[in-house]
Amino acid sequence: KAGVTQTPRYLIKTRGQQVTLSCSPISGHRSVSWYQQTPGQGLQFLFEYFSETQRNKGNFPGRFSGRQFSNSRSEMNVSTLELGDSALYLCASSPGLNFLSYEQYFGPGTRLTVT
Amino acid sequence: EDKVVQSPLSLVVHEGDTVTLNCSYEVTNFRSLLWYKQEKKAPTFLFMLTSSGIEKKSGRLSSILDKKELFSILNITATQTGDSAIYLCAVPSGGSGTYKYIFGTGTRLKVLA
Repeated sequence: KAGVTQTPRYLIKTRGQQVTLSCSPISGHRSVSWYQQTPGQGLQFLFEYFSETQRNKGNFPGRFSGRQFSNSRSEMNVSTLELGDSALYLCASSPGLNFLSYEQYFGPGTRLTVT
Repeated sequence: EDKVVQSPLSLVVHEGDTVTLNCSYEVTNFRSLLWYKQEKKAPTFLFMLTSSGIEKKSGRLSSILDKKELFSILNITATQTGDSAIYLCAVPSGGSGTYKYIFGTGTRLKVLA
């Protein structure tokens, strides 16, 4: 089975712009989660989607949003970018109804740099 | 607030050494604890420990969970340079609508040849 894929792998944006990141989960996986990883804060949960619905949400501002399509592919959008949004954004998929009951499979991430 | 703390932050050892990585947690409703290895970008799953599975072993890696003292350890014996990575532990947290994994900041392991 192909693993989780994320596009693009690298991105450079300017403050104030918006960005959309894409994630394709492992075939058959319906739960997709997004994480932000920075040296200071580590891996932090953004949100989780299941069957095209946001099912769980972390403590990030509304500038961070996402959606999931019928084929389970997911996109994450960050509007009005700030310098502090520079990070590695990781997507993870898992198979089950309860995503806490299964390990997550991570994609290679998108490295976002905001200048 | 639920939290996960890993120690040490970093570790440098020589090939053949044995290492022990620590993960302590505080969580309202414990369900499980997971270990991941992050080499370049994507963390890869190692173990999931639960109340019904407090010890796991895979080759040179093993892990135990102490639910009473609220910690887990990851042991790597006969380390190899390929074990160099960041090791992360995570615990599920929250309630309906706010479920999430809380990750520790990780232990960076470097194994010298």
